[in-house]
Amino acid sequence: QKEVEQDPGPLSVPEGAIVSLNCTYSNSAFQYFMWYRQYSRKGPELLMYTYSSGNKEDGRFTAQVDKSSKYISLFIRDSQPSDSATYLCAMSAPGGGNKLTFGTGTQLKVEL
Amino acid sequence: EAGVTQSPTHLIKTRGQQATLRCSPISGHTSVYWYQQALGLGLQFLLWYDEGEERNRGNFPPRFSGRQFPNYSSELNVNALELEDSALYLCASSLAKLASGANVLTFGAGSRLTVL
Repeated sequence: QKEVEQDPGPLSVPEGAIVSLNCTYSNSAFQYFMWYRQYSRKGPELLMYTYSSGNKEDGRFTAQVDKSSKYISLFIRDSQPSDSATYLCAMSAPGGGNKLTFGTGTQLKVEL
Repeated sequence: EAGVTQSPTHLIKTRGQQATLRCSPISGHTSVYWYQQALGLGLQFLLWYDEGEERNRGNFPPRFSGRQFPNYSSELNVNALELEDSALYLCASSLAKLASGANVLTFGAGSRLTVL
């Protein structure tokens, strides 16, 4: 079993839809939770992060962490074609040697 | 400000050969990370260098090695290439930590290695 599970998709939604992306994990030591966005032929870029449990909002993006369920989510409101990319969740534990553990990524396509 | 730069963009090798990939971090960043992104497997942590020293290593065989130079640039070497080494190799650098203590990684665009 992988430490971090993420549905690879592809997920196709119409423009303006609310998108929900999710990851589950098994390592209870994870404290830092991040979402990266990766466009084709580019490196991943940090989109959102949260520490421990709770919600964080940044514009159209909301990240949620439920440590009791070992489940994290990224919501995208009013999705745009420019949001079409692969979304990767990543996690790390204190004292984990700065190692990020990534999900496999969910490919999102927002259609006009 | 220049981002993380990697070279070469693409590299084609045959089984048994050696590959060398290079990375220049963002100016002022002292830490360099290497990740392997193979199809269907996501990003797998390879190596972390900081201040010229190897600080952490992922679950990869010893034929994956590297080093960090005094100017903080880094090299990843893969010896005795195998077909399953075909992947995108991503380098990232960091300096700042988030207020929570988490590391902020800035990734390069990657070097795509194809082993035939």
